[in-house]
Amino acid sequence: DVKVTQSSRYLVKRTGEKVFLECVQDMDHENMFWYRQDPGLGLRLIYFSYDVKMKEKGDIPEGYSVSREKKERFSLILESASTNQTSMYLCASSLRGPNEKLFFGSGTQLSVL
Amino acid sequence: RKEVEQDPGPFNVPEGATVAFNCTYSNSASQSFFWYRQDCRKEPKLLMSVYSSGNEDGRFTAQLNRASQYISLLIRDSKLSDSATYLCVVKGFQKLVFGTGTRLLVSP
Repeated sequence: DVKVTQSSRYLVKRTGEKVFLECVQDMDHENMFWYRQDPGLGLRLIYFSYDVKMKEKGDIPEGYSVSREKKERFSLILESASTNQTSMYLCASSLRGPNEKLFFGSGTQLSVL
Repeated sequence: RKEVEQDPGPFNVPEGATVAFNCTYSNSASQSFFWYRQDCRKEPKLLMSVYSSGNEDGRFTAQLNRASQYISLLIRDSKLSDSATYLCVVKGFQKLVFGTGTRLLVSP
């Protein structure tokens, strides 16, 4: 079974801190994604990557950056955390292809105080 | 207009009932369609893909209507374990777009 592992289940940070969210997948998937999920807004795509060292902006990239130095690892960085970035963050991976099935990590609930 | 729209529910049904959800999408060029299931405080998981001719997986049937731009999910003989949020997902040019989900509550 594919495993997507997110480093923290719960995280509490202060406004202005730099925050790193780590995601690792063990099935050699080419594609990796970062979403945030908020009540009433659903899952929104922040950034995605189709290959090592490659990144593309999603729908809401402002305030975030990403890093993909290795195929299995995709990191989301909040350069200066703000309260409106309090959310559930979900990492996902998939094989390359038109009907790629997304495998999600269990999520990180980030609270920015 | 949202790219993918779903009735948020909740749909409250008794065990054994048949329930159907619809989802509309705005991009007529959308290529692929899926239903994901998300349990409370858990990550989404793929329930089934939706094919043009319609497809069935046990008690679950998915349909696609390209002319009216909607997909549907039918659940027959509902079980308590079907209680979850069902996310409609549509693939556009490069990425998947998620609906906000329809919540289903199945009661004894």
